[in-house]
Amino acid sequence: GDSVTQMEGPVTLSEEAFLTINCTYTATGYPSLFWYVQYPGEGLQLLLKATKADDKGSNKGFEATYRKETTSFHLEKGSVQVSDSAVYFCALSNDNYGQNFVFGPGTRLSVLP
Amino acid sequence: EAGVTQSPTHLIKTRGQQATLRCSPISGHTSVYWYQQALGLGLQFLLWYDEGEERNRGNFPPRFSGRQFPNYSSELNVNALELEDSALYLCASSLAPLGTQYFGPGTRLLVL
Repeated sequence: GDSVTQMEGPVTLSEEAFLTINCTYTATGYPSLFWYVQYPGEGLQLLLKATKADDKGSNKGFEATYRKETTSFHLEKGSVQVSDSAVYFCALSNDNYGQNFVFGPGTRLSVLP
Repeated sequence: EAGVTQSPTHLIKTRGQQATLRCSPISGHTSVYWYQQALGLGLQFLLWYDEGEERNRGNFPPRFSGRQFPNYSSELNVNALELEDSALYLCASSLAPLGTQYFGPGTRLLVL
């Protein structure tokens, strides 16, 4: 079945450091890909998305490019802030009866001042 | 525009009891999804409703059930509660089936 794999962390960075959180997926067909962020004590918020190959999603300085050839959707940010500390989930949505929605295990990011 | 709302925010039950969790989607959204986020585990898909029908369910026992009302709001019912049902239950909605999901703040269920 469809699956999402992401680095589980925790990832600890200093403020203004470069961030990469790897995400790879296995899916039939052409899924849509998402990054969600969960701040402490809150629900999930959509961070960015891409619906087809080579699309780049971007928001709040974060970017991810849908790479079908490597089945990846890595999350990047050039300069992280303390306020970016959260858990980041990679996810896919696929029109595949039986397993439509799959989330990765989440990556906890801690940014130190 | 109001986001997805869930009630209650916290719920404490004892083993064997039943819990009912509620979700109101974003206005205009017809699909509602339920997820369980247990401590130390990822997000597990529970149920998907669209236009009042159950479209898909995850790998959970039948004591997890729900429904979607004509106004597209939804209930999740958990019968015969077990200690391991303690988790954050998240509801999401989307404008179209399998579209981008927007999450509510969750209901934190504690089973004693």
